Amino acid sequence: GQQVQQSPASLVLQEGENAELQCNFSTSLNSMQWFYQRPGGSLVSLFYNPSGTKHSGRLTSTTVIKERRSSLHISSSQTTDSGTYLCALVNTGGLSGKLTFGEGTQVTVIS
Amino acid sequence: DMKVTQMPRYLIKRMGENVLLECGQDMSHETMYWYRQDPGLGLQLIYISYDVDSNSEGDIPKGYRVSRKKREHFSLILDSAKTNQTSVYFCASSSGTGDERLFFGHGTKLSVL
Repeated sequence: GQQVQQSPASLVLQEGENAELQCNFSTSLNSMQWFYQRPGGSLVSLFYNPSGTKHSGRLTSTTVIKERRSSLHISSSQTTDSGTYLCALVNTGGLSGKLTFGEGTQVTVIS
Repeated sequence: DMKVTQMPRYLIKRMGENVLLECGQDMSHETMYWYRQDPGLGLQLIYISYDVDSNSEGDIPKGYRVSRKKREHFSLILDSAKTNQTSVYFCASSSGTGDERLFFGHGTKLSVL
């Protein structure tokens, strides 16, 4: 089965709204990363967050290992936040360094 | 300047032709990756390399091979390309020191006709 599941699959926000993106995983976690991808673009690492909460500007990532979930919170969304947000994990016991990606949440922020 | 560079950005090939995708990084990272990204399938790992001549198959290695003769370069080779290898290919690197934060290249969009 799918090791990494992201929800929602897509999201439309009015500029200024907040959003929470979820990532649930079915395997033991070694580390978790969140990436941002602009349409047709490369992936940019947002957070490397194996556990706990991390902040970067308007973004907050929280990983709760025992609940097998990680979330990405976007506050006061802007049109430039539009794109796809992907979570990826390195599971314990797997191929060393291998990241397994979710399918992403497509975010559209409209003004 | 930390960078992963992929060449070319766009490539069109005919079925049966050989394809070489090149990737370079300037961070002296030990670990490098090749992923492909397809709609509905997400990112899938093709190969991972832990250092020069130390390569391991990922989830979908069939139809691909790799070469890593220098730490900063990692090549993906398609011998006799197939139409189902049309995809966007991403190279990435990480330090391999226990921090698996990945740095990605801009991708190569490959069309096999």
